[in-house]
Amino acid sequence: QQQVKQSPQSLIVQKGGIPIINCAYENTAFDYFPWYQQFPGKGPALLIAIRPDVSEKKEGRFTISFNKSAKQFSLHIMDSQPGDSATYFCAASGGPGGYQKVTFGTGTKLQVIP
Amino acid sequence: AAGVIQSPRHLIKEKRETATLKCYPIPRHDTVYWYQQGPGQDPQFLISFYEKMQSDKGSIPDRFSAQQFSDYHSELNMSSLELGDSALYFCASSSRHSEAFFGQGTRLTVV
Repeated sequence: QQQVKQSPQSLIVQKGGIPIINCAYENTAFDYFPWYQQFPGKGPALLIAIRPDVSEKKEGRFTISFNKSAKQFSLHIMDSQPGDSATYFCAASGGPGGYQKVTFGTGTKLQVIP
Repeated sequence: AAGVIQSPRHLIKEKRETATLKCYPIPRHDTVYWYQQGPGQDPQFLISFYEKMQSDKGSIPDRFSAQQFSDYHSELNMSSLELGDSALYFCASSSRHSEAFFGQGTRLTVV
């Protein structure tokens, strides 16, 4: 059972476009929602993260929107660039005693066309 | 800043051989997590250790074992390797209530 559901599986946008990736979770014990960016052959790199007490967080061109009641969150990439082409994973973590095991979504392969 | 260090970065083994992957967490991080990522797949949680004790177990095959040592580094031992074990293996570390950071991974190829 996929605890963190992510869509779409792949996404192609023109340079300057705003790709949006959506995620939903089931476990209300999760209290930390990071997004990871992964390039081929590399480890997942933390991009931006949010906690449930905040509805939106911006860092540079990346914005997370969070809807706690719907148990959904999304990533927006403003003014996307070819260098943003990568696989993006939403994730969730949190548990008793501050346990931080990361549960990943299934990933979205983003391609930004020049 | 120090990051999670994994070694080796690449490893080629034959079927039925044994492999050992090492992970050195960020200083003062007391928890280590291991993940396996197959081609085109999301990382799957294998096992974690907190203060040198196993704290959680995911989809880790019985052929695999792991431990965390007194200096907090961890090793993943994989025996009787199969072709399907070819994957990227990631280690992450965290302290309680801080986010997990991932290493660059070890690419294991079983031939």
